[in-house]
Amino acid sequence: QSALTQPASVSGSPGQSITISCTGTSSDVGSYNLVSWYQQHPGRAPKLMIYEGGKRPSGVSNRFSGSKSGNTASLTISGLQAEDEADYYCCSYTNSREVFGTGTKVTVL
Amino acid sequence: EVQLVESGGGLVQPGGSLRLSCAASGFTFSSYAFTWVRQAPGKGLEWVSAISGSGRNTYYADSVKGRFTISRDMSENTLYLQMNSLRAEDTAVYYCAKSLTYYYDSGGCDYWGQGTLVTVSS
Repeated sequence: QSALTQPASVSGSPGQSITISCTGTSSDVGSYNLVSWYQQHPGRAPKLMIYEGGKRPSGVSNRFSGSKSGNTASLTISGLQAEDEADYYCCSYTNSREVFGTGTKVTVL
Repeated sequence: EVQLVESGGGLVQPGGSLRLSCAASGFTFSSYAFTWVRQAPGKGLEWVSAISGSGRNTYYADSVKGRFTISRDMSENTLYLQMNSLRAEDTAVYYCAKSLTYYYDSGGCDYWGQGTLVTVSS
């Protein structure tokens, strides 16, 4: 199972919006509404930001939103803040296993 | 407060074995599936294995199938990962994570441990 494809890096200025794409196949992203997104700061465990495609866990800012079109899922961060600088990973359920994305480093300029 | 505390990592020679533990507290352990995820130094996340809430159903990545065994002890509220025939490429931080649901159908994992480092080297 190949990793989902994410851009290596995305950057934006404070207050701007950025979108991270996550491209899979018709066997994973395209077949299930079970894409999750994780934020990971250096040296820390991942944190769930979006689950089941577009739902936010309690406590996660509504500046984070998720969507999907075909085989590509997306994470949008609006009103970018300094603390959003981190690595972000998508993850899709597929056929009794999961596959993570390659990861995207978000830089706040 | 939900807590997941991993232990059992360390340095092991190629071909050796280790058993990782993940002690859970602050919620009803038997109500949720669990997942192990690993991260090699400087690399991305890799899904390793999962187990349903009952423990009857287990799932493995191709890279570890036949070498790793996931299990859970309901009386001890503890998740395990038995790792045999370890290889250099198994070197990573191993995280346990609590699923959102009882069945492994994963919409995501809402709580993660701090991770335990496994180093496979001679």
